[in-house]
Amino acid sequence: AQTVTQSQPEMSVQEAETVTLSCTYDTSESNYYLFWYKQPPSRQMILVIRQEAYKQQNATENRFSVNFQKAAKSFSLKISDSQLGDTAMYFCAFVASGYSTLTFGKGTMLLVSP
Amino acid sequence: NAGVMQNPRHLVRRRGQEARLRCSPMKGHSHVYWYRQLPEEGLKFMVYLQKENIIDESGMPKERFSAEFPKEGPSILRIQQVVRGDSAAYFCASSPPLRSTDTQYFGPGTRLTVL
Repeated sequence: AQTVTQSQPEMSVQEAETVTLSCTYDTSESNYYLFWYKQPPSRQMILVIRQEAYKQQNATENRFSVNFQKAAKSFSLKISDSQLGDTAMYFCAFVASGYSTLTFGKGTMLLVSP
Repeated sequence: NAGVMQNPRHLVRRRGQEARLRCSPMKGHSHVYWYRQLPEEGLKFMVYLQKENIIDESGMPKERFSAEFPKEGPSILRIQQVVRGDSAAYFCASSPPLRSTDTQYFGPGTRLTVL
């Protein structure tokens, strides 16, 4: 069974600063996908970024980038130039190739202040 | 291209009543997934369906819960004889055909409150 651990229940950052959210996972699979989803106060789940395990290059989407360390089973999310609208719960998620079930961490609440 | 649609957004039921939650996947998506989010928790997988087939229901409680995705119409998650512990947010996600590990896109969720 796969597990996803987010060790930071809450994080705070000031506008325009950079923040990194941690995620580790445990699996015996060699091929899999990792995701970060954002859940703002509206409760909608929004895809932030996706990483295929077979790709060594870290995924980037505008101000969001990941640091994927496959050997360490680590998948952190870096948010640059934080904006007030980034305030949300952030969930790390895993799915093994050939499977369909997303396994989520418990989330990190990020508060961006002016 | 409309996203994943869920209705109702909020549903209030008394103990013992039935709850029906609906999900329409994104256009072109034929895979539907249901997840449940309890307060202060991450999402937990419940069931994975394709048209007219349940592919994986390993996360579904054995009793009172059922799901379907008919040939025509939305996917439905049905909870019979609801209890207070069923109060949660229920999210539906969809993904394109052929590649079941492609990205799942989520709907806005249905918040079920059981009185």
